[in-house]
Amino acid sequence: QKEVEQNSGPLSVPEGAIASLNCTYSDRVSQSFFWYRQYSGKSPELIMSIYSNGDKEDGRFTAQLNKASQYVSLLIRDSQPSDSATYLCAAQRSNNDMRFGAGTRLTVKP
Amino acid sequence: KAGVTQTPRYLIKTRGQQVTLSCSPISGHRSVSWYQQTPGQGLQFLFEYFSETQRNKGNFPGRFSGRQFSNSRSEMNVSTLELGDSALYLCASSLLAGQGGTDTQYFGPGTRLTVL
Repeated sequence: QKEVEQNSGPLSVPEGAIASLNCTYSDRVSQSFFWYRQYSGKSPELIMSIYSNGDKEDGRFTAQLNKASQYVSLLIRDSQPSDSATYLCAAQRSNNDMRFGAGTRLTVKP
Repeated sequence: KAGVTQTPRYLIKTRGQQVTLSCSPISGHRSVSWYQQTPGQGLQFLFEYFSETQRNKGNFPGRFSGRQFSNSRSEMNVSTLELGDSALYLCASSLLAGQGGTDTQYFGPGTRLTVL
């Protein structure tokens, strides 16, 4: 079992819709969780970090964390074609040890 | 603040050679992590350095090594290159004000290594 699991997609949504990206992790000692966006040929860029159970909102993005279920999600509201990218979920243990999922490719169709 | 910088951006090597990649973290950041990214395996953790010490290591052979200097700049070295080492090598820096804990990692642009 991989430490961080994501649906590889591709996930396709129409412009203006809500995109829902999911991630599960196997290591219960993971403390912090991150969502990165990676455009083709570019390096990952941070979208959100979340450390506590519940929801965290930042503009059109909402991250959700459920440590009991070992589940993290990212919602993108009012999806735009510019949101088309691969989204990477990461779980971080203490001492900055971070593991990434394989990524979910999102396509937002105009 | 300037972001994470990596040099060189592109490299072409042949099998059996060795290569050294360089990473300069964001000013004030003390931790540098290295990752290998390939289409088949995704983003895989190589190692992490903090205060010139390797604190974490991923599951890579000993041909992959690294070090960190007193100014937090880091280098990674791959010896006896194999075709399968062709990948995008990314470094990420984080502040880590304390000795341990967790912190946000910011990625550099990467070095694209091609092994022929």
